[in-house]
Amino acid sequence: AQSVTQPDIHITVSEGASLELRCNYSYGATPYLFWYVQSPGQGLQLLLKYFSGDTLVQGIKGFEAEFKRSQSSFNLRKPSVHWSDAAEYFCAVGDGNKLVFGAGTILRVKS
Amino acid sequence: GAVVSQHPSWVICKSGTSVKIECRSLDFQATTMFWYRQFPKQSLMLMATSNEGSKATYEQGVEKDKFLINHASLTLSTLTVTSAHPEDSSFYICSARFSQGRSYEQYFGPGTRLTVT
Repeated sequence: AQSVTQPDIHITVSEGASLELRCNYSYGATPYLFWYVQSPGQGLQLLLKYFSGDTLVQGIKGFEAEFKRSQSSFNLRKPSVHWSDAAEYFCAVGDGNKLVFGAGTILRVKS
Repeated sequence: GAVVSQHPSWVICKSGTSVKIECRSLDFQATTMFWYRQFPKQSLMLMATSNEGSKATYEQGVEKDKFLINHASLTLSTLTVTSAHPEDSSFYICSARFSQGRSYEQYFGPGTRLTVT
């Protein structure tokens, strides 16, 4: 069965610092991988996705993620965090039909 | 493009009553829509997959008679919580998938906060 692990429940970074959110997945084949962001009381916005090809994918808002098959990971990164990036981030794995979400990582940004 | 709306965004109802939540794809056709439930400080759990013109497919443990799903058109799916109880209070989010091309991407609505008193 598919599963997604986001080991960090909360992360706090200073504004301007770099960010890396971890995501590990379990899936039998090459998965479709996604990162979503959710602000409080809101729906989910797609940041980026990986289906095939270049393992480093660029997304919106300056985010990028790297697919590492050998580590079953799809970590999200941003070189310089802005206060507006404070939100909850979800990693998800799909098979082209259903999505399975990780537990989420809450990002706090301190000034 | 790829905008999904939900209505209402927030609803309070009394225990024992039914509540209907609408999910619409505004600028694309969606053969398939998904309904998720999110408890406070938790992740999204898929409740059911809604296919236009056919019965919804429910995930294990989800009561199909309690959570009625209708996918009446390529742009509208509804979730009706019947005989709601306080434990049904939650944040319900729908998503929609393109009918053609990009069918592996889901676009999410803003969610509906249901409070049952």
